Amino acid sequence: NAGVMQNPRHLVRRRGQEARLRCSPMKGHSHVYWYRQLPEEGLKFMVYLQKENIIDESGMPKERFSAEFPKEGPSILRIQQVVRGDSAAYFCASSQQGGQNSNQPQHFGDGTRLSIL
Amino acid sequence: AQSVAQPEDQVNVAEGNPLTVKCTYSVSGNPYLFWYVQYPNRGLQFLLKYITGDNLVKGSYGFEAEFNKSQTSFHLKKPSALVSDSALYFCAVSRNTGGFKTIFGAGTRLFVKA
Repeated sequence: NAGVMQNPRHLVRRRGQEARLRCSPMKGHSHVYWYRQLPEEGLKFMVYLQKENIIDESGMPKERFSAEFPKEGPSILRIQQVVRGDSAAYFCASSQQGGQNSNQPQHFGDGTRLSIL
Repeated sequence: AQSVAQPEDQVNVAEGNPLTVKCTYSVSGNPYLFWYVQYPNRGLQFLLKYITGDNLVKGSYGFEAEFNKSQTSFHLKKPSALVSDSALYFCAVSRNTGGFKTIFGAGTRLFVKA
């Protein structure tokens, strides 16, 4: 199955530690999106990347959060100095082309559930 | 401002009965509309999309949706619900101009009772 792969599925961190979430898009997809979902809530857009470029990071908190999508390897969402409020499910999606304003559906991974102790 | 609304937090329906999950949108120009489904501890799965053409769109698992431009709606329907349809459903809207982002609704939880 060449779907969107996210790891780890579950991640536990203590306050102040760093969290790294990885996402490998579907084969042939060059557009990656990160979303955050709190329990019983919808998806909140965080960032949209293409290979080596951040296209739109308007949904990312200004501090502690960063994302990259290098030429080789998975996309990484990095949260520094985590706080309790960072506990959520983080989903990655990819699409073939067109980006956010596209008629192509996004294909989602199964998410990383981040818990902060 | 562009937006998408799912007016019902939850929809309850008996197995075998028809189901409708509502979605309305507000966007200038011509929208692209999508429905996704999310099962527990899983990511969203694409069900169907409307781009242009026939207002009735058929998708996966027997679902369909009707695009109504005058009412700016894109309701999800299924003629006969299954218990296994119980899940969280998201409507999303996009557009091909002006750098418009895909916006997801807040989701509607569907319960199908046997």
